[in-house]
Amino acid sequence: GAVVSQHPSWVICKSGTSVKIECRSLDFQATTMFWYRQFPKQSLMLMATSNEGSKATYEQGVEKDKFLINHASLTLSTLTVTSAHPEDSSFYICSARAEETQYFGPGTRLLVL
Amino acid sequence: DAKTTQPPSMDCAEGRAANLPCNHSTISGNEYVYWYRQIHSQGPQYIIHGLKNNETNEMASLIITEDRKSSTLILPHATLRDTAVYYCIVDKQGGKLIFGQGTELSVKP
Repeated sequence: GAVVSQHPSWVICKSGTSVKIECRSLDFQATTMFWYRQFPKQSLMLMATSNEGSKATYEQGVEKDKFLINHASLTLSTLTVTSAHPEDSSFYICSARAEETQYFGPGTRLLVL
Repeated sequence: DAKTTQPPSMDCAEGRAANLPCNHSTISGNEYVYWYRQIHSQGPQYIIHGLKNNETNEMASLIITEDRKSSTLILPHATLRDTAVYYCIVDKQGGKLIFGQGTELSVKP
């Protein structure tokens, strides 16, 4: 199957700082990528749909000014958590669409102190 | 998007077949059935998908009922490494995947 990578795999930051997470499709081009968040013992929650060359579409309740998404190329989407706070600590997972199937990255664990 | 219903948990003996059911009674004609699994602390892994015909790949088989209101994922010879949460999702091809709670499968020696 297609391979999606994320960087970093984990990050610890101080409250109030911003954190950028990268999502790359390694062996295919993806016009559409997705960002999910997962809290402990819960399922994945879709945050936003990232479209190459256009603005992201955010799900209801997700603050677009807090979670900045940029999809500048067909293989890279970035999620920036701005002014992170402890409640933003979570497992962030991206996926990229290859034809009719979505493939997921390994996830990025964010801990905000 | 159609909603799916899965049992919260299942056990399976190592080496035996694991049959994971999924109900999707409100599925639309153009919606596919996708199966993913998530091993602890990892991103979801694609397993298989289908529209109305049964499908098989190197990982699993997908059996979809004729009325398409339910399906079963079959892992033919479960191993300890198959312990994971299995998600059944219905969606249009190319749509956004909405995850439910899934089935936590425990494969026991």
